[in-house]
Amino acid sequence: DTGVSQDPRHKITKRGQNVTFRCDPISEHNRLYWYRQTLGQGPEFLTYFQNEAQLEKSRLLSDRFSAERPKGSFSTLEIQRTEQGDSAMYLCASSFTWRTEQFFGPGTRLTVL
Amino acid sequence: AQRVTQPEKLLSVFKGAPVELKCNYSYSGSPELFWYVQYSRQRLQLLLRHISRESIKGFTADLNKGETSFHLKKPFAQEEDSAMYYCALSYPLMNTGFQKLVFGTGTRLLVSP
Repeated sequence: DTGVSQDPRHKITKRGQNVTFRCDPISEHNRLYWYRQTLGQGPEFLTYFQNEAQLEKSRLLSDRFSAERPKGSFSTLEIQRTEQGDSAMYLCASSFTWRTEQFFGPGTRLTVL
Repeated sequence: AQRVTQPEKLLSVFKGAPVELKCNYSYSGSPELFWYVQYSRQRLQLLLRHISRESIKGFTADLNKGETSFHLKKPFAQEEDSAMYYCALSYPLMNTGFQKLVFGTGTRLLVSP
């Protein structure tokens, strides 16, 4: 296990299309987080899972966004009916239950044309 | 609201010069603060956390609760320190046990030979 992995690394899509990203956390980590990072900004929290339960969602996560973590392993983030404003880097991170240090993946860069 | 402010977008110094990257936070409780670093074409990674009170790669950061600051310092900058640095604040959300991580907008450090 070499760390958090994300797939794909880059995604270009047309406005209105649906996209899905995958995150594989460090295997022994119970907590998984999704962030969004736009140009000139730091990562902004989107949502958080503890095992398979989605426990927190940011108001940034509109109803076009949905995240899942079946069986508490990998997670997917889906964006429906993409808009140009969704263009960003989507970061995944994971951590142990009892620690706050988060380990980040390389990110998926989404470009919506 | 909880907030992290990094006032400098870019800090440019010569090799061997001292470096101070500023970070101020807004939080009424007991904060847990971090510095994350992102080197070119690499993922975001933890540099140091205030509770560890350790020096990593020659960097130190002291939490000053009176000034609500957590500035990152290094006495002699090296070219390999060139990177994007993010200050982050971790705080618990009420009744959830969830530690939310809030990032600043980042400071790009450029160390010239």
